[in-house]
Amino acid sequence: DAKTTQPPSMDCAEGRAANLPCNHSTISGNEYVYWYRQIHSQGPQYIIHGLKNNETNEMASLIITEDRKSSTLILPHATLRDTAVYYCIVRPALSSSARQLTFGSGTQLTVLP
Amino acid sequence: DAGVIQSPRHEVTEMGQEVTLRCKPISGHNSLFWYRQTMMRGLELLIYFNNNVPIDDSGMPEDRFSAKMPNASFSTLKIQPSEPRDSAVYFCASISGLRTDTQYFGPGTRLTVL
Repeated sequence: DAKTTQPPSMDCAEGRAANLPCNHSTISGNEYVYWYRQIHSQGPQYIIHGLKNNETNEMASLIITEDRKSSTLILPHATLRDTAVYYCIVRPALSSSARQLTFGSGTQLTVLP
Repeated sequence: DAGVIQSPRHEVTEMGQEVTLRCKPISGHNSLFWYRQTMMRGLELLIYFNNNVPIDDSGMPEDRFSAKMPNASFSTLKIQPSEPRDSAVYFCASISGLRTDTQYFGPGTRLTVL
């Protein structure tokens, strides 16, 4: 799986958009970008994933650059409950032989009141 | 939907004792994963099963660790004998079928080995 680089920590004011960057310069053509988050003392939670087009769901938006070497997860209106560690993971989709997730260090997002 | 269920939520034991962690995946999910999380090593995969068959156990630390999935609705992770360095949070996760890679994680079991 391609390696990802994320800042170790970020702060965001409550109600503002949180933009979390991820670099994945060695991503290959069949690899997707996945985002999970882990709120303190809970199991990781799926947020969103994409291949090359921008994606949006009820939780967040994912912006992937045209060369696919980096992406940004956007939480449009951050709340205190969004304080968590956010993991960017790059892996082939629907690979029957390698379905596990490889977690890096992630970004600790702290939403401030 | 009850989600992935793990038990116990907390376990404190003494070095040398046998520990068994349990996981019930979401009904209908056919892939199950065991992860371990520590401050030093972060989240790491121990083993995963597809249709109850172990596919990759390369993350299992040593022979003291064993995992089984006797049926589609139940899995165990056993440590015998336990050591203080096994202290961690152990997570179970499951996936439904082959058309999605979204993993659903349980709440975890916090294991402390004294």
